[in-house]
Amino acid sequence: DQQVKQNSPSLSVQEGRISILNCDYTNSMFDYFLWYKKYPAEGPTFLISISSIKDKNEDGRFTVFLNKSAKHLSLHIVPSQPGDSAVYFCAASGDGNNDMRFGAGTRLTVKP
Amino acid sequence: DVKVTQSSRYLVKRTGEKVFLECVQDMDHENMFWYRQDPGLGLRLIYFSYDVKMKEKGDIPEGYSVSREKKERFSLILESASTNQTSMYLCASSLLAGNTGELFFGEGSRLTVL
Repeated sequence: DQQVKQNSPSLSVQEGRISILNCDYTNSMFDYFLWYKKYPAEGPTFLISISSIKDKNEDGRFTVFLNKSAKHLSLHIVPSQPGDSAVYFCAASGDGNNDMRFGAGTRLTVKP
Repeated sequence: DVKVTQSSRYLVKRTGEKVFLECVQDMDHENMFWYRQDPGLGLRLIYFSYDVKMKEKGDIPEGYSVSREKKERFSLILESASTNQTSMYLCASSLLAGNTGELFFGEGSRLTVL
């Protein structure tokens, strides 16, 4: 039972354009959401997060949007760069446990 | 700098062998986690620990056990390895006692069970 879903296994965009990665969740108790980035042969690294009291959080080229009613969040990367090519994982926590649930990941390829 | 270190990057074991995966963090974090990463399934939580000698089952604890005798060290044990445990294993830690802390991951241990 995957509580966090990333339905697009891969995404390819041109350098300089916008990348939009999507994530859906089923557990309404989640109140904190994070995006992690993973390069091959490395562990995931934290990218950006958002609390459920907000609907947008921005950090440089990265913006996360949260739509609580739809249980949906998205990560926007503008402008996309070849170095952004990686697997992006959506994660959620806050259902009363001390753990964190991850989606299956989306592989982003940014073409020069 | 924040550091989570996993003892082995690559291991090859035979079916039925006992396997130990070690993880050490140097950040004095309360929480530690073991995930496995498989294609199409993302990261699935095996076990986590929020204090020394404390452990909680995650989503897929079957076939695994853990040990946390010291705050900085969290071990994952496969009592009798099976081929379906071939995977990438990721250790992580977080500071906050609750569940809103960013996770810091190690580089991963790729286990192959023959």
